[in-house]
Amino acid sequence: DVKVTQSSRYLVKRTGEKVFLECVQDMDHENMFWYRQDPGLGLRLIYFSYDVKMKEKGDIPEGYSVSREKKERFSLILESASTNQTSMYLCASSFHSGGVGLFNGDIQYFGAGTRLSVL
Amino acid sequence: QQPVQSPQAVILREGEDAVINCSSSKALYSVHWYRQKHGEAPVFLMILLKGGEQKGHDKISASFNEKKQQSSLYLTASQLSYSGTYFCGTEPHDFGNEKLTFGTGTRLTIIP
Repeated sequence: DVKVTQSSRYLVKRTGEKVFLECVQDMDHENMFWYRQDPGLGLRLIYFSYDVKMKEKGDIPEGYSVSREKKERFSLILESASTNQTSMYLCASSFHSGGVGLFNGDIQYFGAGTRLSVL
Repeated sequence: QQPVQSPQAVILREGEDAVINCSSSKALYSVHWYRQKHGEAPVFLMILLKGGEQKGHDKISASFNEKKQQSSLYLTASQLSYSGTYFCGTEPHDFGNEKLTFGTGTRLTIIP
């Protein structure tokens, strides 16, 4: 079974703090993703990575950065947390199945999420 | 651009059928369907890669109309375990810009 593990289920931080969200996958997947999930907005892509040390911006990267030093680990960093970053954060990974482009047709496997509250 | 899902929410009695639709403004390479139960990770249901393709998963199946740039998820004889929020994810036919983009979800509630 694919396992994507997020280090915390719940996190409470103060405005201005630097926040690290960690994600680890155990299936040697090339691709990893960070999404945020808000009511009525669905899942929106923040950043993704298709290889170690490689990263690409998603649809809503402002206020976030990422780090991928090892293949199995992908970190999301909030440099200075703000209240509008209160949300559910989901990590996902996928194996490149050889489709067109970087990850066309690849199935993404999700972690259970980290609910972050910024006060 | 996010695909549009409809309806936003639906309540069914056990045994009834439901259809969830997903429409995109772009030509699509694939459509993915996921289900998320409250407090849990989204779980992959199926992927449709070709126009006109239909896939089945127990009593849950889906179709992909490439020409209309839309997909539908069919849940027949619904069970209590089908409750959750269903998301479609679409990949455009746009090499170099093939990010999976999710719809806003359809909340399905099954009542006994």
